[in-house]
Amino acid sequence: EVQLVESGGGLVQPGGSLRLSCAASGYTFSSYWMSWVRQAPGKGLEWVASIKQDGSEKYYVDSVKGRFTISRDNAKKSLYLQMNSLRAEDTAVYYCARVISGSFLFDHWGQGALVTVSS
Amino acid sequence: QSVLTQPPSVSGAPGQRVTISCTGSSSNIGAGYDVHWYQQLPGTAPKLLIHGNSNRPSGVPDRFSGSKSGTSASLAITGLQAEDEADYYCQSYDSSLSGSYVFGTGTKVTVL
Repeated sequence: EVQLVESGGGLVQPGGSLRLSCAASGYTFSSYWMSWVRQAPGKGLEWVASIKQDGSEKYYVDSVKGRFTISRDNAKKSLYLQMNSLRAEDTAVYYCARVISGSFLFDHWGQGALVTVSS
Repeated sequence: QSVLTQPPSVSGAPGQRVTISCTGSSSNIGAGYDVHWYQQLPGTAPKLLIHGNSNRPSGVPDRFSGSKSGTSASLAITGLQAEDEADYYCQSYDSSLSGSYVFGTGTKVTVL
């Protein structure tokens, strides 16, 4: 059974940093693109970033470029999101999701990690 | 950045049929990219409901069906049940935005 478990969420002040982690199990992690998708309170879903199987390609939504960095450790079957210069508008539940790259879809999702940016 | 437009809400009585539209453009749905649908029950993570425009993953009831035409897609729920009350999102890929996956604005389905 595919499982994705996020951790690392919490309360951070504007301008601060936070690192999210996503532990994968139940499948060959190194064979799949992975992504982060976020959902602000009471709002819709927004794709944040994606990373190729070997980490050689990374893509970001414009609003986080230069501030967020997606990375992965295939040996540890883990996905990461380093978030710097956080803003109030980054407040959201962050989901890690497995990507079916040929179809551009997210077939499995974690339970989410809440990031709150507030003073 | 929601570039796919959905109605904010739809409702129906138990047993009825409801449909949710998803309108895109020539750089996403109209460019030939598949549309996928996700169901988000209250307080939970999204779940893949329909993939590749009209395909149901294992375990998804056949009450749910999807279709795509031109720059739009739609999700139909027939025989509406109380457990179908949730938020529904369409999703595709947009060639005008590098590496960009795009979601719909989301539709709340209410069972009357």
